[in-house]
Amino acid sequence: GNSVTQMEGPVTLSEEAFLTINCTYTATGYPSLFWYVQYPGEGLQLLLKATKADDKGSNKGFEATYRKETTSFHLEKGSVQVSDSAVYFCALSDHSGNQFYFGTGTSLTVIP
Amino acid sequence: DVKVTQSSRYLVKRTGEKVFLECVQDMDHENMFWYRQDPGLGLRLIYFSYDVKMKEKGDIPEGYSVSREKKERFSLILESASTNQTSMYLCASSFEGEQYFGPGTRLTVT
Repeated sequence: GNSVTQMEGPVTLSEEAFLTINCTYTATGYPSLFWYVQYPGEGLQLLLKATKADDKGSNKGFEATYRKETTSFHLEKGSVQVSDSAVYFCALSDHSGNQFYFGTGTSLTVIP
Repeated sequence: DVKVTQSSRYLVKRTGEKVFLECVQDMDHENMFWYRQDPGLGLRLIYFSYDVKMKEKGDIPEGYSVSREKKERFSLILESASTNQTSMYLCASSFEGEQYFGPGTRLTVT
């Protein structure tokens, strides 16, 4: 079946540090992969996506590359800011585009 | 921009009450979803709907029902609220494999 596993949190970083949040997936067929961000007290917002192998999604300085050989979609940012403090969810949609699977979320706190 | 709205941001109800959570999307999406979010458990799918009057059980449907009488509106119903249903409830719609979320309703059952 389909599933998403992402690294446990919480993660605490100093401002301008490098961020990596690991995400691996199990899927049949050709899923699309997503990172969502949830700021305190809000719903989930799409951060970036990739729809096929070797695609790189990017937004607001965040990047993730769809790696089929390692079934991974790790989130990275070169220099985090306090405003990046949030919960990050890795997710996939199956080949039909109608079923979605989420990781458990990784809480990030960036301290000045 | 896709807009998904939920009727309340915060709600406090008593045990045994019937609770309605409303969700409306303005982009004519066919697919709509209800999740609950709890610390350490991530998002868990309660029900989803692929079309008007259609509904499918998700991973944790017990204690919940849904209604989809119009395409834009998907309602989650707690027939008799219990304290273990205290949670954040998130509604979403989807199109072409991408989901769009509402702001969430934080429900407290006392």
